[in-house]
Amino acid sequence: GENVEQHPSTLSVQEGDSAVIKCTYSDSASNYFPWYKQELGKGPQLIIDIRSNVGEKKDQRIAVTLNKTAKHFSLHITETQPEDSAVYFCAALSTGNQFYFGTGTSLTVIP
Amino acid sequence: ETGVTQSPTHLIKTRGQQVTLRCSSQSGHNTVSWYQQALGQGPQFIFQYYREEENGRGNFPPRFSGLQFPNYSSELNVNALELDDSALYLCASRPDPMNTEAFFGQGTRLTVV
Repeated sequence: GENVEQHPSTLSVQEGDSAVIKCTYSDSASNYFPWYKQELGKGPQLIIDIRSNVGEKKDQRIAVTLNKTAKHFSLHITETQPEDSAVYFCAALSTGNQFYFGTGTSLTVIP
Repeated sequence: ETGVTQSPTHLIKTRGQQVTLRCSSQSGHNTVSWYQQALGQGPQFIFQYYREEENGRGNFPPRFSGLQFPNYSSELNVNALELDDSALYLCASRPDPMNTEAFFGQGTRLTVV
């Protein structure tokens, strides 16, 4: 089955700086890679996603890049704000049509 | 908000008991998946239902079972609760199994004592 690894597990940045979270996956047949933001006491919220036929996608301050050859994808948040503080999860949709999640990155944006 | 609602929000059960968790999917979504999220971990896939039939299952024992109803709402049942079953249980809905975007509810926090 699919195996998704996520790094780092914790990340602290100064407000206004950029944050980068990286994930690798093992199943080359996986073709959809979403990123979720989870705030305390809430369920994961989809913030951006990318499909395997695209190398990069951007939505305002958030971007995701995908390298299919190396089987890794990354989340980039620019101009971070305190409200970006949360746990971020990457995921991969496997050929079995189920999502495999990374172990999460706790992002703290320091005002 | 995602339009996916789960109940109850919190629950405390005793080891050996049985529990039923409920999920109402987003309007128009016929595919519901359940996930277990232990503290500090990512969600782990339990199973998925599509039009009242189970169409995918993760590495969970048979004491984890489910149902999907004609209105596409769903239940997760766990029998013979163990302490390790303590976790946040998440429900996610999708328009159909081939549609990739999944929307999560807020979860049910289950504590087994």
